[in-house]
Amino acid sequence: QPQLQESGPRLVKPSETLSLTCSVSGGSISSNTYYWGWIRQPPGKGLEWIGSFYYTGSTYYNPSLKTRVSISVDMSKNQFFLKVNSVTAADTAVYYCARHWATTQEFDFWGQGTLVTVSS
Amino acid sequence: QSVLTQPPSVSAAPGQKVTISCSGSNSDIGNNYVSWYQQLPGTAPKLLIYETNKRPSGIPDRFSGSKSGTSATLGITGLQIGDEADYYCGTWDTSLNLGLFGGGTKLTVL
Repeated sequence: QPQLQESGPRLVKPSETLSLTCSVSGGSISSNTYYWGWIRQPPGKGLEWIGSFYYTGSTYYNPSLKTRVSISVDMSKNQFFLKVNSVTAADTAVYYCARHWATTQEFDFWGQGTLVTVSS
Repeated sequence: QSVLTQPPSVSAAPGQKVTISCSGSNSDIGNNYVSWYQQLPGTAPKLLIYETNKRPSGIPDRFSGSKSGTSATLGITGLQIGDEADYYCGTWDTSLNLGLFGGGTKLTVL
């Protein structure tokens, strides 16, 4: 079973860039069976899909975040990354990375999540 | 505001049955599989139902999923105190290639 682990700064200043890494073990992110994605959850609120990538290099983003978000990959390290530009307090959330099936799209394995706070 | 609509909360007594609805549209639920997730306080979501009505290994058959048209339903029978959690539906909009979650439903077992 794969394990996913988010890492990165827990505190980001307004207008700066939030950067997170998802390290995957027990499974290859270059598999054609899965997408790999980011989801976030503001405190006390619901889940919001941020975006996902496929091993071909295709990336898909939530339209509401598309202008500020990018997902990149390092296949050699089995890691993928999230950047959110120009953050505000509204970007304060627990950020999860997760694996989802390419054909049926369920998110079957999740990281434990990391709380990122945007504050000066 | 989520594209998929769920009731904010549901409640029932231990041993009883509860259903949680998830309403969408033709471009998402209507033409795609639905998944359901259970989120216990302070933990990551856990896959409960996939491909609309299938259970991953280890998920008891007290949990079931179904779909009709543009709405999906999660059913839980034999409610236990440990079932108290937030439940989210999820799907994919294939026309726009984007992931969707419902707003979540808080289950209280009285």
